[in-house]
Amino acid sequence: AQSVAQPEDQVNVAEGNPLTVKCTYSVSGNPYLFWYVQYPNRGLQFLLKYITGDNLVKGSYGFEAEFNKSQTSFHLKKPSALVSDSALYFCAVRDSYQAGTALIFGKGTTLSVSS
Amino acid sequence: SAVISQKPSRDICQRGTSLTIQCQVDSQVTMMFWYRQQPGQSLTLIATANQGSEATYESGFVIDKFPISRPNLTFSTLTVSNMSPEDSSIYLCSASTHDYEQYFGPGTRLTVT
Repeated sequence: AQSVAQPEDQVNVAEGNPLTVKCTYSVSGNPYLFWYVQYPNRGLQFLLKYITGDNLVKGSYGFEAEFNKSQTSFHLKKPSALVSDSALYFCAVRDSYQAGTALIFGKGTTLSVSS
Repeated sequence: SAVISQKPSRDICQRGTSLTIQCQVDSQVTMMFWYRQQPGQSLTLIATANQGSEATYESGFVIDKFPISRPNLTFSTLTVSNMSPEDSSIYLCSASTHDYEQYFGPGTRLTVT
């Protein structure tokens, strides 16, 4: 069975500092990995995905994520946080052996960026 | 890509009644799904909506409570039946395409009193 874990309920960072939101996964085959962001009372917005290729994936709003197969991780990163990045972030996974199935989501991590 | 719309965007319903949520995608998609999200929490998959056949439900969700239809490649409905306050949640329609991405509608915020 596929699963994804976000070990931190909340991450606090000062504006201008680098941020990392952690994600680890478990799948039988190769993982398809995604990050989404949700602002209060808004829908889910796609940030980036890893399907294959370079381990460092660049996405929207200056975010990037690094796929690490040996550590089964896909941490979200940004070099310099903005107050406007404060939101709820979800990591999601799909097993490549079940390409037609729905994404499974982590519990979410609330990012709070202080000015 | 795919743009997904949902109706209604929100509703307040009395216990014991039913609500049908509509989901429309602006292009043909391969798969459609329904999720539930309680405020501030993660998304839980309810079912996969299969075109022209019965939906595939996840553990803990049953057809009698959450009947789903998908008459064509771009439209699906989810009904929340015999509602109780525990059904208060955000219901999200989702669709995936050949590029592996999964798109989400804006959600339907349901409050059951």
